[in-house]
Amino acid sequence: DAMVIQNPRYQVTQFGKPVTLSCSQTLNHNVMYWYQQKSSQAPKLLFHYYDKDFNNEADTPDNFQSRRPNTSFCFLDIRSPGLGDAAMYLCATSRGDRGANEQFFGPGTRLTVL
Amino acid sequence: GESVGLHLPTLSVQEGDNSIINCAYSNSASDYFIWYKQESGKGPQFIIDIRSNMDKRQGQRVTVLLNKTVKHLSLQIAATQPGDSAVYFCAENIDQGGKLIFGQGTELSVKP
Repeated sequence: DAMVIQNPRYQVTQFGKPVTLSCSQTLNHNVMYWYQQKSSQAPKLLFHYYDKDFNNEADTPDNFQSRRPNTSFCFLDIRSPGLGDAAMYLCATSRGDRGANEQFFGPGTRLTVL
Repeated sequence: GESVGLHLPTLSVQEGDNSIINCAYSNSASDYFIWYKQESGKGPQFIIDIRSNMDKRQGQRVTVLLNKTVKHLSLQIAATQPGDSAVYFCAENIDQGGKLIFGQGTELSVKP
């Protein structure tokens, strides 16, 4: 089945130690998104790629970076995780047709910062 | 450390009853809306969508109503089941790039 895959599902890191979260998709979608979701809150968009075109949200901290080496894969790099970065990180994809279309979400990676 | 979690609005219903979850959206120019269901520890799952040229759309056991005059969206779930227990988010599309803005979320609890 076509899907969005996130690895690992659970990630533990130490304060200040860089960490990379991975997302892959078999949907061949043009757009890939990264969201941060904290407890009892809505997902908050960090950035997205339309093909290779990177779009950063204005309030996304510089501590968060992303890479998309090809259509299938997208990575979220947190350069120096703080305690406040502990959250669920969700990857999503969409076709990217002009106008709106559905976003398909992965299962998320739960990040713990010690 | 992590900020204290907010308390989501909660809707508690009896199994078999109908549920109505409401959402107020922010942008009058939004032209596409989605309802997502999110179970604990999982990613959001698409339930139903509606475009701004429609007032109502029905799926299997779910109906979405859109009132553009007051910028209000609702999700109706018929014959609610324990498996419907989850957090429900509405989301609005605000630009041609397909970017979604999520609403606050409502936690639905179904009592057997």
